[in-house]
Amino acid sequence: KAGVTQTPRYLIKTRGQQVTLSCSPISGHRSVSWYQQTPGQGLQFLFEYFSETQRNKGNFPGRFSGRQFSNSRSEMNVSTLELGDSALYLCASSPREPYGYTFGSGTRLTVV
Amino acid sequence: EDKVVQSPLSLVVHEGDTVTLNCSYEVTNFRSLLWYKQEKKAPTFLFMLTSSGIEKKSGRLSSILDKKELFSILNITATQTGDSAVYLCAHPGAQKLVFGQGTRLTINP
Repeated sequence: KAGVTQTPRYLIKTRGQQVTLSCSPISGHRSVSWYQQTPGQGLQFLFEYFSETQRNKGNFPGRFSGRQFSNSRSEMNVSTLELGDSALYLCASSPREPYGYTFGSGTRLTVV
Repeated sequence: EDKVVQSPLSLVVHEGDTVTLNCSYEVTNFRSLLWYKQEKKAPTFLFMLTSSGIEKKSGRLSSILDKKELFSILNITATQTGDSAVYLCAHPGAQKLVFGQGTRLTINP
């Protein structure tokens, strides 16, 4: 079966712009979570959605937001980009937490 | 707040060596401990250790969980260059995974 699909794979944006990343989970998985990975901070939790509801949110500023659609696909948005937002953004889907997390290949965001 | 700590952060060995990666944790409600391998981008699942499954083995990789001392180790025997990767340890908390910093393992031929 198809894995977790993230698009785009690479993005280069300028400071102050906004960006939207997309994640399509494995078919049948209703939980989608997002993580930011940087060399200094490692993998940090952004937020989790289940059946279109945000159930948990990490310690990130309000510039980071997300949503989930009725088909379980999820998007995350970062507004007013800063240089420090440069990172690998990973999405994971799960049929039910806390088990069975499968990760996508991520979106590499570079802010210049 | 749940905390997961891995050591060492970086390790360089020669092909054929045996390595041991460490993961300690402090969590309020232990569920399980997960090990992932990250080569390029997507972390791939290796093992899940629980209170009822404290030892796992797959080929040259094995892992144990010590619930009393709150740590886990990942062993890789007869290492190969293809084992070069970042190894991540994580605890599944409430609707999220809490990761350690990862151990970057480099296998030199």
